[in-house]
Amino acid sequence: ETGVTQSPTHLIKTRGQQVTLRCSSQSGHNTVSWYQQALGQGPQFIFQYYREEENGRGNFPPRFSGLQFPNYSSELNVNALELDDSALYLCASSSPGAGANVLTFGAGSRLTVL
Amino acid sequence: EDQVTQSPEALRLQEGESSSLNCSYTVSGLRGLFWYRQDPGKGPEFLFTLYSAGEEKEKERLKATLTKKESFLHITAPKPEDSATYLCAVQGGDNFNKFYFGSGTKLNVKP
Repeated sequence: ETGVTQSPTHLIKTRGQQVTLRCSSQSGHNTVSWYQQALGQGPQFIFQYYREEENGRGNFPPRFSGLQFPNYSSELNVNALELDDSALYLCASSSPGAGANVLTFGAGSRLTVL
Repeated sequence: EDQVTQSPEALRLQEGESSSLNCSYTVSGLRGLFWYRQDPGKGPEFLFTLYSAGEEKEKERLKATLTKKESFLHITAPKPEDSATYLCAVQGGDNFNKFYFGSGTKLNVKP
């Protein structure tokens, strides 16, 4: 059983640029969530995708957008990068059920904005 | 406001010295409370899910408990390999797809 894989692992961008981060979900999982984790903080919910549709969103501006593909992999796009966007971006996959859902996380993509 | 608060922020223990980590929450409509472990440079790793007050779960030296508005992660006779950041997360609120995470407790166990 493969876990959640994310790419790239590290990247450096300058303010105003755009970035795309990629995620492959764990086998058997059809839901993908993205989280932003600033240094020393807990992960903050960005959004979730289920069946290629956005299925919930946190308090992030529209310049944060995403996609989910038929194979359940996903992308996170961030436009007009700001210095505060520097963080670890975590992708998590899950299988929705009637109750609580365990999130399986990838190792993250570390974004530095200069 | 829906939020999760963890304490202490950091905890230093000697090997074998037992202690507890706290997670309190104000998230309504609890669907589940989760404990994760996060090692430096890695994503969070699932430890436990608790669903209702009074529930307890155990795994090796860790035991998680849940009351109406808080959870405790008890660490019995910790070892240096237990050193990590422990994150608490609550699924609930107005968006049941959303997990609210605390800022974590950074545990350092000295040999």
